[in-house]
Amino acid sequence: EPEVTQTPSHQVTQMGQEVILRCVPISNHLYFYWYRQILGQKVEFLVSFYNNEISEKSEIFDDQFSVERPDGSNFTLKIRSTKLEDSAMYFCASSEGGNGLFYGYTFGSGTRLTVV
Amino acid sequence: QKEVEQNSGPLSVPEGAIASLNCTYSDRGSQSFFWYRQYSGKSPELIMFIYSNGDKEDGRFTAQLNKASQYVSLLIRDSQPSDSATYLCAVGDNFNKFYFGSGTKLNVKP
Repeated sequence: EPEVTQTPSHQVTQMGQEVILRCVPISNHLYFYWYRQILGQKVEFLVSFYNNEISEKSEIFDDQFSVERPDGSNFTLKIRSTKLEDSAMYFCASSEGGNGLFYGYTFGSGTRLTVV
Repeated sequence: QKEVEQNSGPLSVPEGAIASLNCTYSDRGSQSFFWYRQYSGKSPELIMFIYSNGDKEDGRFTAQLNKASQYVSLLIRDSQPSDSATYLCAVGDNFNKFYFGSGTKLNVKP
């Protein structure tokens, strides 16, 4: 079964450092998303991406965050200057179309980001 | 802020029993509703989606939606210990994103 692949599985970084989280969505999917889950809390929407641009972003997704699809397969989330409160599990997801809204989408296995 | 509320549990049921998980949502205009299962430290896994009032069955799982009451539920028949997990209710927004509840922890006892 097709998978969404995320790397690394765990990233430890010092506060103020830049991190890039990587995702390889399912190959025929066109819509891409990042969500995060702080330990013990809800899964929260960060950003959706389609046709090489951001479709929507949440208030969490401030100027410290950016997303990019640098080639035909990867989808990245960059945090420019990490804060302690950025420590969370970050999930990438993808869907075949905007009907991901109605049919759900597939999450990757996640990257646990720990900011120290 | 659109809210999705779930009882955090834990909900404990014996093996073979029916587990009933409930969710309410605040946005009356919501159109699509999802149940995800999440094992500790893992990513959410889609179980079912529903977007019409009534019941939808898939194997041992039945999703129920009542838009007038802004209520969605998940029934798990013949519960197994492997069903022990946190169940997340998610509500789809018109703008292609989900709002998640905090999840209900289910514990199925052998």
